[in-house]
Amino acid sequence: KAGVTQTPRYLIKTRGQQVTLSCSPISGHRSVSWYQQTPGQGLQFLFEYFSETQRNKGNFPGRFSGRQFSNSRSEMNVSTLELGDSALYLCASSWTSGSGTGELFFGEGSRLTVL
Amino acid sequence: KQEVTQIPAALSVPEGENLVLNCSFTDSAIYNLQWFRQDPGKGLTSLLLIQSSQREQTSGRLNASLDKSSGRSTLYIAASQPGDSATYLCAVESGNTPLVFGKGTRLSVIA
Repeated sequence: KAGVTQTPRYLIKTRGQQVTLSCSPISGHRSVSWYQQTPGQGLQFLFEYFSETQRNKGNFPGRFSGRQFSNSRSEMNVSTLELGDSALYLCASSWTSGSGTGELFFGEGSRLTVL
Repeated sequence: KQEVTQIPAALSVPEGENLVLNCSFTDSAIYNLQWFRQDPGKGLTSLLLIQSSQREQTSGRLNASLDKSSGRSTLYIAASQPGDSATYLCAVESGNTPLVFGKGTRLSVIA
């Protein structure tokens, strides 16, 4: 059974550009969550999608957005990139959402560097 | 607001030693607690998931315990090996909020 797949694994952008990251969850999983990981802040929750609906959103500016498609694949977009957006972006999937989501499975992450 | 703390932040032990990693959380009304392992530059690998109704879970050389009333969980690693070197994170799910992670414990097992 394939795990969570994230693309691209590495990317370099310059300030002001925008970026789109993709996540394919484990087959059958309908919940996809996104996290930003930096050395200083650790893992911070961005948003969660379940059946194409955003269920939760973290405390990030509106430059960060996401969506989920009918096949449960998800994308996140960051517009007008800033240096502080450099981070490892992790996607996680689970079978369900809310009230004890259960075990969460993570992808390898997308390493974004903003110059 | 749920807060998760992991102590120590870093730990170095000789190969073969048994060790305990600690995780504490402020709100005891949790659904579950999950332990993860992260290798440098990689994603998170799920190690153990403990439901709120459970006291412990075991997988191979790993044993995780949960004491909700005191807001604590421990991850016990038996007979540590150099391959166990990684950062270990605990995360708590409570209410209608997403997982809250600790900052992790960076473990080095010296051969």
